[in-house]
Amino acid sequence: EDKVVQSPLSLVVHEGDTVTLNCSYEVTNFRSLLWYKQEKKAPTFLFMLTSSGIEKKSGRLSSILDKKELSSILNITATQTGDSAIYLCAVSDGTSYGKLTFGQGTILTVHP
Amino acid sequence: GAVVSQHPSRVICKSGTSVKIECRSLDFQATTMFWYRQFPKQSLMLMATSNEGSKATYEQGVEKDKFLINHASLTLSTLTVTSAHPEDSSFYICSAVDRRTDTQYFGPGTRLTVL
Repeated sequence: EDKVVQSPLSLVVHEGDTVTLNCSYEVTNFRSLLWYKQEKKAPTFLFMLTSSGIEKKSGRLSSILDKKELSSILNITATQTGDSAIYLCAVSDGTSYGKLTFGQGTILTVHP
Repeated sequence: GAVVSQHPSRVICKSGTSVKIECRSLDFQATTMFWYRQFPKQSLMLMATSNEGSKATYEQGVEKDKFLINHASLTLSTLTVTSAHPEDSSFYICSAVDRRTDTQYFGPGTRLTVL
């Protein structure tokens, strides 16, 4: 059974801080790892990672995959209150197209 | 960009009634859609995979007779919660894969409250 574990489960920081969120996984037939941000409604897509060692970047957010360590990190620099959300990591198993297994999520709270 | 819609966004019903939730991919065709449920402060749990033109595939522990899924067209999947009970109250989210970009997009979710 595929498994995704995120850490920490919750994190409280102040504006301007840099945070690193972790995701580790066990999957039979790895296809990709995805990061999502969830506020009040459904998750919004951040990154999809398939290759090890290649950093993906979008503004203050960046992410990288380490297939050897079966893990990924999501970095957020110069955090803002608008970054407060649940960050979800998911893995896609190549056996069942599109099927995602989610981690528990990290609840990030950014105080002004 | 790709958009997935859900209707209704919020529904309150009495115990014992059935509720239908629609999921539509608005600008791409989706042969496969997924239904999740999410309890407060918890992650998304996959309930079933909805396949256009064939039966849905349910995850272990999900009652297929209670959660009826119909994927009648390439842009529409429906989830019907039959004989709803208070413990079915949850946030139900659908998603669809855009095979052109291999990206999965989520609908805005439906908050179901069963009284």
